[in-house]
Amino acid sequence: GESVGLHLPTLSVQEGDNSIINCAYSNSASDYFIWYKQESGKGPQFIIDIRSNMDKRQGQRVTVLLNKTVKHLSLQIAATQPGDSAVYFCAETLSGGSYIPTFGRGTSLIVHP
Amino acid sequence: DTAVSQTPKYLVTQMGNDKSIKCEQNLGHDTMYWYKQDSKKFLKIMFSYNNKELIINETVPNRFSPKSPDKAHLNLHINSLELGDSAVYFCASSGGTPTNEKLFFGSGTQLSVL
Repeated sequence: GESVGLHLPTLSVQEGDNSIINCAYSNSASDYFIWYKQESGKGPQFIIDIRSNMDKRQGQRVTVLLNKTVKHLSLQIAATQPGDSAVYFCAETLSGGSYIPTFGRGTSLIVHP
Repeated sequence: DTAVSQTPKYLVTQMGNDKSIKCEQNLGHDTMYWYKQDSKKFLKIMFSYNNKELIINETVPNRFSPKSPDKAHLNLHINSLELGDSAVYFCASSGGTPTNEKLFFGSGTQLSVL
């Protein structure tokens, strides 16, 4: 079974709003988490990552939050733009293992102009 | 230059045929992967390979086999194709170390088995 999952399969927002995409993981040993963006017809692309020794990490318009207590990960996108429309995946890597990222099911983000 | 390239982009074939998908990376990475993405967008690891170790997802049928002529290439060969093999297959690469696990993906091969 999957150890990483998402609460919402589809998220629709208006342009300019902030978006929050959530992810739950089940393996407390995971120590590295990655968010990927997959646009239609393309492969997933790295957005931002975070290690388990951090609670928050910020990038350009994106922030990842990690709550190890409840094994929850979120991706926040500020001032969402139509170009942000895509499927977003979280992935976890198991510490001490073979470092193969395990992906969650993905959330489809739809941004309305 | 494309970092991870895979060919073909589209592959349409009949049941029972044997086919291959090629993948090349020019990032100097040590580890390459094959993922299968189903119609619900779920990404499932099939293989992970570096010059020392092949890790196979035990749920992958033995009709699927990775072939790596060198560190920059990991091809996927599929025997006796079945309808359920229809999916998008992604090749990826990474440094494969604890500080370099970020994956770089190819653009995918959409396989349709008729």
